[in-house]
Amino acid sequence: EAGVAQSPRYKIIEKRQSVAFWCNPISGHATLYWYQQILGQGPKLLIQFQNNGVVDDSQLPKDRFSAERLKGVDSTLKIQPAKLEDSAVYLCASSLGGGDGYTFGSGTRLTVV
Amino acid sequence: EDQVTQSPEALRLQEGESSSLNCSYTVSGLRGLFWYRQDPGKGPEFLFTLYSAGEEKEKERLKATLTKKESFLHITAPKPEDSATYLCASSYSSASKIIFGSGTRLSIRP
Repeated sequence: EAGVAQSPRYKIIEKRQSVAFWCNPISGHATLYWYQQILGQGPKLLIQFQNNGVVDDSQLPKDRFSAERLKGVDSTLKIQPAKLEDSAVYLCASSLGGGDGYTFGSGTRLTVV
Repeated sequence: EDQVTQSPEALRLQEGESSSLNCSYTVSGLRGLFWYRQDPGKGPEFLFTLYSAGEEKEKERLKATLTKKESFLHITAPKPEDSATYLCASSYSSASKIIFGSGTRLSIRP
């Protein structure tokens, strides 16, 4: 079974620039999550999709972050404009749903300078 | 407020020295308690799910246990390759999202 694919692996941008991350979940997984993990901390949920729809985006900074899930499969997370405090690893995860364990991708490490 | 707290933040052990990591949770209506392992530069890797107090699960040198307020990850005779950050997380009945603790950084010296 192929895992969760994410790209790019690394990205360095200047503050106020834009950046986008891509995620392809495990085939058949209806639920997709984007997490932000700041160095030394546990992952924090940004947004949860169930198929095409958003289930929870309560911790997504909507003034600068946006996300979409195309046809209930791939997803993109965008930051515009980026701030220094957005430097983190952005993890995508997917699951069959129902509150069971997720499978994570390797993440995208974002550095904002 | 639903919360997951892990202790200690960091733990250094000698190879073969057994110990336990703690995870306490204040989640109403616990649905599942999860343990993940995270290596540097990688995403978390699923280890165990526990659903009810008294449940135990084992995998090689790791054993996870669950009470009504906390979970323990016991590491028996660890090896250097067990060095990683161990994350605890919980989900609750009204949602399928998982809340993570900050993790315990485990280092095993040869």
